[in-house]
Amino acid sequence: QQPVQSPQAVILREGEDAVINCSSSKALYSVHWYRQKHGEAPVFLMILLKGGEQKGHDKISASFNEKKQQSSLYLTASQLSYSGTYFCGTDLIQGAQKLVFGQGTRLTINP
Amino acid sequence: DTEVTQTPKHLVMGMTNKKSLKCEQHMGHRAMYWYKQKAKKPPELMFVYSYEKLSINESVPSRFSPECPNSSLLNLHLHALQPEDSALYLCASSQDHWRVDLPLHFGNGTRLTVT
Repeated sequence: QQPVQSPQAVILREGEDAVINCSSSKALYSVHWYRQKHGEAPVFLMILLKGGEQKGHDKISASFNEKKQQSSLYLTASQLSYSGTYFCGTDLIQGAQKLVFGQGTRLTINP
Repeated sequence: DTEVTQTPKHLVMGMTNKKSLKCEQHMGHRAMYWYKQKAKKPPELMFVYSYEKLSINESVPSRFSPECPNSSLLNLHLHALQPEDSALYLCASSQDHWRVDLPLHFGNGTRLTVT
C-alpha cells in the first residue's frame, strides 16, 4: 500500500520553511525520507522508527506519529540546495526492509 | 559520488536483444535491491537479494532475470523487453535486509530505452 504524500509540489523562496507530510492507511514500522535531484540517485536523509521519535540534522528534521501513521519532514530556512523531489518510504513488514515509496513531493527553492 | 556503481549509465536496446545491467558495491552490505523508476514517479521495488539469495520478487515478468554472483555484485539480465519497460533502473544496497533501521544506498541508475 503506497503512502500518500502532501503537498505534491511546493515553490518557496530561499529562507522560507516547508513541511512535507506522509501518511499511511497501514501500520508502519519505520519511515524513511530520501531526496532525489533530477538525473541523480535518491539520497538518504533520515529514518524514523516506531515510538513517535523526532530526528533532525542541520535544518532538516522529521517526526513520526505512530498512532496516526503519519510522518512529517520539516525544512527550515530553506537553501537552494534543498531543491529536488522528496520521497517518504514506509516499511509495512516487521523485521524486513521492503520500502514502498510515496509519490513524491517536488520542492523548488528560488533565490 | 555514490558508493554504489551502476553500469552502463545509458542503454538503448531493441525488443529482441539480450542485455545486462550491472551493479557493484564495496561497503560490505549483504542486501542488494533492484528498483524501477518511471519519469516523475517513485522508485518501485523489483527484487531483493539478502546474503546472495533471492528474498523478494515483486511479481516481476520473467523477461527480467536477476542474478547475485557474490555479495558485492548484482546483475539484471534483460531479454525480449517491451517499450513500456523503458525506465531508470536503480540499484541499492543496505547492510542487512532484515533490519528496518538501516538506510538504502542508491546508485545513479541505468537509463534504459527499449525501441
